[in-house]
Amino acid sequence: SQQGEEDPQALSIQEGENATMNCSYKTSINNLQWYRQNSGRGLVHLILIRSNEREKHSGRLRVTLDTSKKSSSLLITASRAADTASYFCATDPNAGGTSYGKLTFGQGTILTVHP
Amino acid sequence: KAGVTQTPRYLIKTRGQQVTLSCSPISGHRSVSWYQQTPGQGLQFLFEYFSETQRNKGNFPGRFSGRQFSNSRSEMNVSTLELGDSALYLCASARLGHTDTQYFGPGTRLTVL
Repeated sequence: SQQGEEDPQALSIQEGENATMNCSYKTSINNLQWYRQNSGRGLVHLILIRSNEREKHSGRLRVTLDTSKKSSSLLITASRAADTASYFCATDPNAGGTSYGKLTFGQGTILTVHP
Repeated sequence: KAGVTQTPRYLIKTRGQQVTLSCSPISGHRSVSWYQQTPGQGLQFLFEYFSETQRNKGNFPGRFSGRQFSNSRSEMNVSTLELGDSALYLCASARLGHTDTQYFGPGTRLTVL
């Protein structure tokens, strides 16, 4: 089952605009990761935020985590056409150490950035 | 450092056949996980191996199996292929698995005819 629910399912913006994607999850987590996937290829790791962190930055990416609301957001600033891809959040559930390797993915947000 | 590699990249099989996919993790990574991605079900966890031991398994039938070798390379096998097994199979490696960043390979696109 998909723990992460992402919103919106699709997002279309112009180059230079900011893109915000949201992710909600159901169980307590150790960490939450964001990945990008270009057209049926492998997943590229973007950023990992741990359950005791509230905000993290990496280049043009800003991720927030609200464990009380079980939600996270990914902000991409000054979007480029090359940012066009599917974006997935993935949670590593805090299951007493038995969740080895098992990331639970959302259905993803399809981002289209128009030049 | 070289990334995760998967072979083959594309595969076409017919129903009833079996298939073996291979994954070489990033050097120094001991955990290898496998995922299946389909348009309908999204990304689903298959299993995870660490030091040649399967530590976790997803909700897939017994036709899906895997193993890990002493050099951390991993293989997954699907027997008696069904049309619904057509998918992108992704492997990911991590240093330890639990709580670590997972790095994904490019995937193997399996088509079952």
